[in-house]
Amino acid sequence: EADIYQTPRYLVIGTGKKITLECSQTMGHDKMYWYQQDPGMELHLIHYSYGVNSTEKGDLSSESTVSRIRTEHFPLTLESARPSHTSQYLCASSETGTGALLYEQYFGPGTRLTVT
Amino acid sequence: AQKVTQAQTEISVVEKEDVTLDCVYETRDTTYYLFWYKQPPSGELVFLIRRNSFDEQNEISGRYSWNFQKSTSSFNFTITASQVVDSAVYFCALSAQGGSEKLVFGKGMKLTVNP
Repeated sequence: EADIYQTPRYLVIGTGKKITLECSQTMGHDKMYWYQQDPGMELHLIHYSYGVNSTEKGDLSSESTVSRIRTEHFPLTLESARPSHTSQYLCASSETGTGALLYEQYFGPGTRLTVT
Repeated sequence: AQKVTQAQTEISVVEKEDVTLDCVYETRDTTYYLFWYKQPPSGELVFLIRRNSFDEQNEISGRYSWNFQKSTSSFNFTITASQVVDSAVYFCALSAQGGSEKLVFGKGMKLTVNP
């Protein structure tokens, strides 16, 4: 069972508010990821990190920002929420493999964000 | 470039039927990994299996089985004697060194198992 947590699970917030979605894992994984999942089910990578002080933008452009100050913590921040940010946000983590070895990602329960 | 195609978007079956979920992938890397994830209505993605490109052995885990065929670039998933609890969205995914190890997901397939 994966030990990766996200809070809040559900959030309804007004336009223009600043929000931070929390993600923590207790598995000591170096790699962490944020995905955005639209109502059509498709998953899009928006941010990833391969270790402390390392963050990269994913394949889908996002107005959100992330930070990685501690291994276990990878919060996502929206400075000014808009209705277009309404979505499900999923956090994941994985081990770092040696050589060509790649490991599976473990996912948190997600945060369902609604911006009114 | 990496790509995963799940041609079926939605399948509905009656309990105890067998169902196969198709997955076709594209990659130029010789070393890559394939995955299946399950997303029940609760929303969390649950890891089911990882398979590397050098291991074409099929795998069986209870009612689940996976058929990996490099010749057709496919990694299909079969659920035998389906149950209502199998109702979920299933994602196939690919990760390769050439893609910076990022997971590339298919668009998902919604399975509904009716009693």
